[in-house]
Formats: sequence, structure tokens, C-alpha cells
Amino acid sequence: RKEVEQDPGPFNVPEGATVAFNCTYSNSASQSFFWYRQDCRKEPKLLMSVYSSGNEDGRFTAQLNRASQYISLLIRDSKLSDSATYLCVVIAPSGNTPLVFGKGTRLSVIA
Amino acid sequence: DTGVSQDPRHKITKRGQNVTFRCDPISEHNRLYWYRQTLGQGPEFLTYFQNEAQLEKSRLLSDRFSAERPKGSFSTLEIQRTEQGDSAMYLCASSLVTIGNTGELFFGEGSRLTVL
Repeated sequence: RKEVEQDPGPFNVPEGATVAFNCTYSNSASQSFFWYRQDCRKEPKLLMSVYSSGNEDGRFTAQLNRASQYISLLIRDSKLSDSATYLCVVIAPSGNTPLVFGKGTRLSVIA
Repeated sequence: DTGVSQDPRHKITKRGQNVTFRCDPISEHNRLYWYRQTLGQGPEFLTYFQNEAQLEKSRLLSDRFSAERPKGSFSTLEIQRTEQGDSAMYLCASSLVTIGNTGELFFGEGSRLTVL
């Protein structure tokens, strides 16, 4: 089983739709979790951290389910500019090892 | 611009040649990472440095790959005897890590390698 798994998509949604991505991780002792966004032919950039209690940033909500070992990202009222690849990122148990990236989920928001 | 910079942005080489990439991190960042990304995949970890010390190397990093960060500032990634399978985007990232804070990674725009 891969350390971090994501549905690659693509998810094609109309503007204004709500879309959710899930990501599962294999190591139950993983400490920290993030969502990064990567535009086509660009570098990844941090979208948001994922906290145990769940967190929201505008139209974006991230949640962590430690029991089931998955994190989720919910995007409400999708915009054309949300079209990108969303990368799930996990830090391994020791906290000193680098971030492990999933393959990413591609989102296309259509007018 | 005080972000992470990488050079060259594009490199085309023939199989068997050596190539070297340079990364200049954000100046106050103590950690520097190298990742490799191919089409349709997420970034795969290669190696990272805390200041000048190389703390971890992935099993992906064969003996043809070597990375240095001699003064704890810029870093180089050298690939010797390149193979077609080395064709990828090589991403450098840096972060400021303190006790209790793993630090956000800031990526450079990458160095795209094509091995013919």
C-alpha cells in the first residue's frame, strides 16, 4: 500500500458546484497533514494545513479522520480559478522526515 | 524576488552525460529539499539538508545522484551518466523549521531535464 493515496480524477465540475477530495495515508502514526495546490506546469504551493479539529479557509474546508486514516478537502462554490491539481501531503511519524506527497487529484471547473 | 530559484530551468542532454542543477533557497531557511516529479505523479522525495548536513536520502537516489549543500546556503544536485528514465522535473524546496514547527515548503519553479 502506498504511503499516501488519492483518486487522480479528473473531477470535472461546473462553476458553483461543491466538490470533495479524499486522501488516505498508510502510517497511523503520521503527524501532520497538508493540502498543496499545483497549477499546470507550476510548482506546488501550500493551500492549507489540516488540523485535528478540522479547519476552514474561505470556501475551503479540510478535515482529518485519524481513525480511518484519511483527510479531506471540500471546495464550495467552485471558481474557474480553482482548476488545478490538489496534492495531499503527510509528514511521517518521526516529524523529522520530509513531506510525502500523494499523486494529486486534478480538478477542472467548467463554465 | 526572494523566493527559491533554480538553474537551469530546462536542460536537454544525451544519455550518458552528466548534469548539475543548482538551487538557491530562501535565505533564512535552514532546510533544503530535492524532489523529482514526472507527469501525472506527485513530487517524489530525493534528499534533504538541514543547514549543510544531508539528513536523509531516498532509495530512489541511486549512486549516480549526488547532492551537496556545502555552506548551508545553495545546493547542487548532480546526475552522472544520465539515463532516459532520469527525465523529469527536479524541484527544490526550502523551509524554516523550528522546534514544534515543521515549516511550510516553498518550492522553486523546477529544473526540467530531458535525456535523449
